[in-house]
Amino acid sequence: GQQLNQSPQSMFIQEGEDVSMNCTSSSIFNTWLWYKQDPGEGPVLLIALYKAGELTSNGRLTAQFGITRKDSFLNISASIPSDVGIYFCAGLKEGSNYKLTFGKGTLLTVNP
Amino acid sequence: NAGVTQTPKFQVLKTGQSMTLQCAQDMNHEYMSWYRQDPGMGLRLIHYSVGAGITDQGEVPNGYNVSRSTTEDFPLRLLSAAPSQTSVYFCASRNAGAYEQYFGPGTRLTVT
Repeated sequence: GQQLNQSPQSMFIQEGEDVSMNCTSSSIFNTWLWYKQDPGEGPVLLIALYKAGELTSNGRLTAQFGITRKDSFLNISASIPSDVGIYFCAGLKEGSNYKLTFGKGTLLTVNP
Repeated sequence: NAGVTQTPKFQVLKTGQSMTLQCAQDMNHEYMSWYRQDPGMGLRLIHYSVGAGITDQGEVPNGYNVSRSTTEDFPLRLLSAAPSQTSVYFCASRNAGAYEQYFGPGTRLTVT
């Protein structure tokens, strides 16, 4: 079953605010991925992390691979209305035959 | 490239009916997967394939069959639909050795 704990489940913020969300697990992961799903669409990859401690940015998004390899964080700075959607973390464990484990998602609402 | 395509976009079935959800990709990806998305549950893996002629079960395979006769196509069959199979279904593909999965737009299935 699901082994990734993603929090918060939902967030309501004002435009311009910064956002933080995270995923934790009791298991070690070799790769962390962050996806965004727009309403009515499939998820799209935002950031991929491959090494413990890695910090990677993609525009206003920054993600980090925790040094324990059991967690990851996603930050969005200066949010805008089009940031609305569901954000998923996903992890890949060694020996998992490339089967990704997904978190349950964080629903982000941005009030203009 | 069209990427990953799914048909139909919406479907309503009666309990006990059968149907096939179609998925095709034109990126020559070896790996293809089927997920279902339910509110508060994130994405759960149903079946996956690592190449033509090779399929395996994911986290929630019961009630679903798959086959992979070509690299491009990966249909998902519901032999006898049940209300518990009401969900949004996503097909995804990626290259072997790569972590980025490309998702299709989804099929919203309702079983009454």
